[in-house]
Amino acid sequence: GQQLNQSPQSMFIQEGEDVSMNCTSSSIFNTWLWYKQDPGEGPVLLIALYKAGELTSNGRLTAQFGITRKDSFLNISASIPSDVGIYFCAGRSNSGYALNFGKGTSLLVTP
Amino acid sequence: GAGVSQSPRYKVTKRGQDVALRCDPISGHVSLYWYRQALGQGPEFLTYFNYEAQQDKSGLPNDRFSAERPEGSISTLTIQRTEQRDSAMYRCASSPLINYGYTFGSGTRLTVV
Repeated sequence: GQQLNQSPQSMFIQEGEDVSMNCTSSSIFNTWLWYKQDPGEGPVLLIALYKAGELTSNGRLTAQFGITRKDSFLNISASIPSDVGIYFCAGRSNSGYALNFGKGTSLLVTP
Repeated sequence: GAGVSQSPRYKVTKRGQDVALRCDPISGHVSLYWYRQALGQGPEFLTYFNYEAQQDKSGLPNDRFSAERPEGSISTLTIQRTEQRDSAMYRCASSPLINYGYTFGSGTRLTVV
């Protein structure tokens, strides 16, 4: 499957700061998803996006489906220590069943 | 069940042995997926089932890997003649429909020695 370009690779921030991460693809996707993975656990779905330009929020998290359909962004506002984990973007094209995942953004939050 | 259940949680096997990994998806979920995740990487697609039909196996690395879901519920991923490079976390996921986000299980950590 195709690997997405996810950045940054890691972030080390203080509690209360806002966080932004993004994901780009050379292919057009019709679905973008954002997952969070805690140590020893499977990825957990945070936000799903199904339409170009769509902006969706889930609490302090906001994600956008890029207009070009080749990118997506995730923002976390007012970070807290429990936001620590690895965040993965994932996208699906019209031509297949597979979700293609990025390599993840590792987020560390200090109190 | 309440979540996607995978067993065993850990499996250590000798090179050349066959292993079978089990996935019990969320009750009623039509779509079932197998992924493999290496350390420091995102999950990598292996195969997809719609009910009992294996509709995409393009991600299976070679013919030592196979999967089945005979009754459209529990699925088994089998790796024959395991090799050290097969060592990874194998994750199963299910969803109610194809275009929904998945729910992942906790995975099976396979170590081939």
